[in-house]
Amino acid sequence: DAGVIQSPRHEVTEMGQEVTLRCKPISGHNSLFWYRQTMMRGLELLIYFNNNVPIDDSGMPEDRFSAKMPNASFSTLKIQPSEPRDSAVYFCASRYDRGEYYEQYFGPGTRLTVT
Amino acid sequence: KNQVEQSPQSLIILEGKNCTLQCNYTVSPFSNLRWYKQDTGRGPVSLTIMTFSENTKSNGRYTATLDADTKQSSLHITASQLSDSASYICVVIASGGSYIPTFGRGTSLIVHP
Repeated sequence: DAGVIQSPRHEVTEMGQEVTLRCKPISGHNSLFWYRQTMMRGLELLIYFNNNVPIDDSGMPEDRFSAKMPNASFSTLKIQPSEPRDSAVYFCASRYDRGEYYEQYFGPGTRLTVT
Repeated sequence: KNQVEQSPQSLIILEGKNCTLQCNYTVSPFSNLRWYKQDTGRGPVSLTIMTFSENTKSNGRYTATLDADTKQSSLHITASQLSDSASYICVVIASGGSYIPTFGRGTSLIVHP
């Protein structure tokens, strides 16, 4: 298996532009997570999907952020409009839910820089 | 509020030396605790998973301990190698619900030759 795939790996954009990050989870996994990582705050959970349905989006910073999972093999995280404070590494992770001792697998991340 | 605190924030050691990283948590009710290793430019990778009843678990040169009474965990690295240079993140899972993880901010370890 190729593992969790994220694209792009790096994104540089100007303030005010729309940014779309993409994720392909591991085949057969039924839960998907989007995280943001910064030096100041570490890893933060943004949103969690189970069976393509958003379960917990309490970590989404504000209305500028939105996430979708149209099917079991694809998810997007969109920021519109982007701001410099959105600069961070965004990780996607997936797991197969089988109770509390699941194993979660992270993608390589997308490094976003907003100038 | 569930929290995970790690110390030290950063650590520099010489190759071949041992080191111990600390994790304190206030997550409740507790289900399990994990240590992840994150190499620069990569996503975190799981090293160990410990449940309430487990005190010690090893994975090669990595040994994790857990004291559920004091809500503390440690990760001991034996005979460090240059490839151990990474960030080590403590993660605690609460039981019930969706088992959402609470992350520590990590300890950055640098191993010098």
